[in-house]
Amino acid sequence: DAGITQSPRHKVTETGTPVTLRCHQTENHRYMYWYRQDPGHGLRLIHYSYGVKDTDKGEVSDGYSVSRSKTEDFLLTLESATSSQTSVYFCAISEGSRQPQHFGDGTRLSIL
Amino acid sequence: GQQVMQIPQYQHVQEGEDFTTYCNSSTTLSNIQWYKQRPGGHPVFLIQLVKSGEVKKQKRLTFQFGEAKKNSSLHITATQTTDVGTYFCAGYIQGAQKLVFGQGTRLTINP
Repeated sequence: DAGITQSPRHKVTETGTPVTLRCHQTENHRYMYWYRQDPGHGLRLIHYSYGVKDTDKGEVSDGYSVSRSKTEDFLLTLESATSSQTSVYFCAISEGSRQPQHFGDGTRLSIL
Repeated sequence: GQQVMQIPQYQHVQEGEDFTTYCNSSTTLSNIQWYKQRPGGHPVFLIQLVKSGEVKKQKRLTFQFGEAKKNSSLHITATQTTDVGTYFCAGYIQGAQKLVFGQGTRLTINP
């Protein structure tokens, strides 16, 4: 498997609190992605990055922000978590925009 | 919006039966990728198809890309319990910069 580490793997928090999820890669891939996976919706893109400090929105970006200050790290932040953001979050990486994506093990986030 | 539709959403088969999942796009795709996600796991890349009418095989799995590059299929011959999981197609929309995933087909198998 590609060298992708997501942290934390599980988190339970309360509505209104800030949450940051981290994705770390050791593959030196240019592209990094954050997805959420919910029953009946498959994988939905939240934000992606095509280089250091270069990011763009996906289809479900409202309520989320991202940062990429180093090639290897891509952070996803929920500024004020809501119950609708309870989900499984996957980070993925790829060498190019059209290349296969390799996924991390996921973070299960519960917001009460 | 740009969508990639996948059917069926669920499929239950007896071990040894065949299985097919279909992927359709309203717009032309630059390529199509297929992923498998085991229960409790993460999506794992299986294959990429790029050319119109392309057919690729991996053991009991056969992948096809339509002539118009708007649809694709994954066929599994003689399913085994190890095939259990959710299969996703993902199409790269021409002119866009993002891969769009289908909703997935969840395959369960009765041994």
